[in-house]
Amino acid sequence: IAGITQAPTSQILAAGRRMTLRCTQDMRHNAMYWYRQDLGLGLRLIHYSNTAGTTGKGEVPDGYSVSRANTDDFPLTLASAVPSQTSVYFCASSDSQGSDTGELFFGEGSRLTVL
Amino acid sequence: GQNIDQPTEMTATEGAIVQINCTYQTSGFNGLFWYQQHAGEAPTFLSYNVLDGLEEKGRFSSFLSRSKGYSYLLLKELQMKDSASYLCAVLDSNYQLIWGAGTKLIIKP
Repeated sequence: IAGITQAPTSQILAAGRRMTLRCTQDMRHNAMYWYRQDLGLGLRLIHYSNTAGTTGKGEVPDGYSVSRANTDDFPLTLASAVPSQTSVYFCASSDSQGSDTGELFFGEGSRLTVL
Repeated sequence: GQNIDQPTEMTATEGAIVQINCTYQTSGFNGLFWYQQHAGEAPTFLSYNVLDGLEEKGRFSSFLSRSKGYSYLLLKELQMKDSASYLCAVLDSNYQLIWGAGTKLIIKP
């Protein structure tokens, strides 16, 4: 089934540990995004990539890094996790950037708890 | 700063009609989106408005007034499966999506 796959679905992590959330899409979309969703707040953009080989910082990039070596994969890394990074993380993609509808397709989310 | 406002929670009755409002103040405007998100699931696209007026899609309609910085999502013939959060998002002048916190819609039988 075409779409976006995120892994892991859920993870409990000790503070200070390194963690990579994986995201793979098979729709050949150019643009990919990482959001975090916290109760009472809107989705907040962490990092994005308009095309393979390029990345950009979103609204809340501190403590996170991304890479975009190819079209399909867009992993998000927490170098040294802190409790404030406890959240639900969504990866998303779109087949356009800055034009027409730019509908986002979301993965199922990764629930991360940092203790 | 940029801001999207929508009610935190609304309650409606099965079979009825509900209107979820969204007001926005953003640096520029390149379209407004509505997404539906069931609890524990990913958001899914509902509608996109870039011109003023009403867009109808089955039981769901979305309205936009750019001069007022205002949109609403209208849900008709409510069903229990419509219980979800509804997210309003605006594409700003830099083509970045600004998201509201979402409106949790509770449907009662």
